[in-house]
Amino acid sequence: DTGVSQDPRHKITKRGQNVTFRCDPISEHNRLYWYRQTLGQGPEFLTYFQNEAQLEKSRLLSDRFSAERPKGSFSTLEIQRTEQGDSAMYLCASSPLTLMNTEAFFGQGTRLTVV
Amino acid sequence: AQKVTQAQTEISVVEKEDVTLDCVYETRDTTYYLFWYKQPPSGELVFLIRRNSFDEQNEISGRYSWNFQKSTSSFNFTITASQVVDSAVYFCAPSIGNEKLTFGTGTRLTIIP
Repeated sequence: DTGVSQDPRHKITKRGQNVTFRCDPISEHNRLYWYRQTLGQGPEFLTYFQNEAQLEKSRLLSDRFSAERPKGSFSTLEIQRTEQGDSAMYLCASSPLTLMNTEAFFGQGTRLTVV
Repeated sequence: AQKVTQAQTEISVVEKEDVTLDCVYETRDTTYYLFWYKQPPSGELVFLIRRNSFDEQNEISGRYSWNFQKSTSSFNFTITASQVVDSAVYFCAPSIGNEKLTFGTGTRLTIIP
C-alpha cells in the first residue's frame, strides 16, 4: 500500500507523559499536513511542511507541541507534558506540490487518549 | 479567514432515497478551492471532489453530484439512490492556494436499509 501511513494507530498515555507520532507521506509528496480531530468535530489544522520547511503553525499548536520533517520525508509530531485536553485523533495528510491546488491524501490517524 | 457551515448535523434516509448535504462557506478570497471529503467509520478521510472557484459547472460522478453556486457561496452535495455504504460523516472544506483545508463540523449521514 503506498498511501499515507501513521504510527501508532492508538496511543494511551498518562497525563504529563510525552508522546511522539510518526507520519510517512506518499512518496514524492512535497507537502505534509497535521490536523487534529476531536469527537464530533471536523479536523482542525495544526501545521504544514513543504519539504523540510515548516511553513505554517496554527495557534492550536502550543509550545508543548513540536513537529519536524527531517530531510523532507517522514514527519513526527511530539506532544510534551500531555494533558487530558490533548485527547483526539491526530491526522496526517500529504499532497504533491503543483501550481493548482490538489487534494490531500489522509492517513488513518493516531488516536491519542490521555488518562 | 475562511468559515464553513454545514447546518445539517445528522441526516437519516432510507436506502435508495436521494439526499442532499448542504455547505455554505465564507471567504474574502476571489480564488479558492472547495473540497468534499467522506469519513467512514474506519476514520480515514476519503477525497470526493475538488472544485475551483472559477468553475461553476455542476459535476456528476456516478451517483454523486455537486451544485456550486458562487453567488450564494454554497457547494451542495447530492447522493442519488443512496446505499448503506454511503453511511459516513461528510465534510465540506475550502482551501486557499495550496495550503490548509478549513473543515466544517460535518454531516453524519445514516442510510437505513
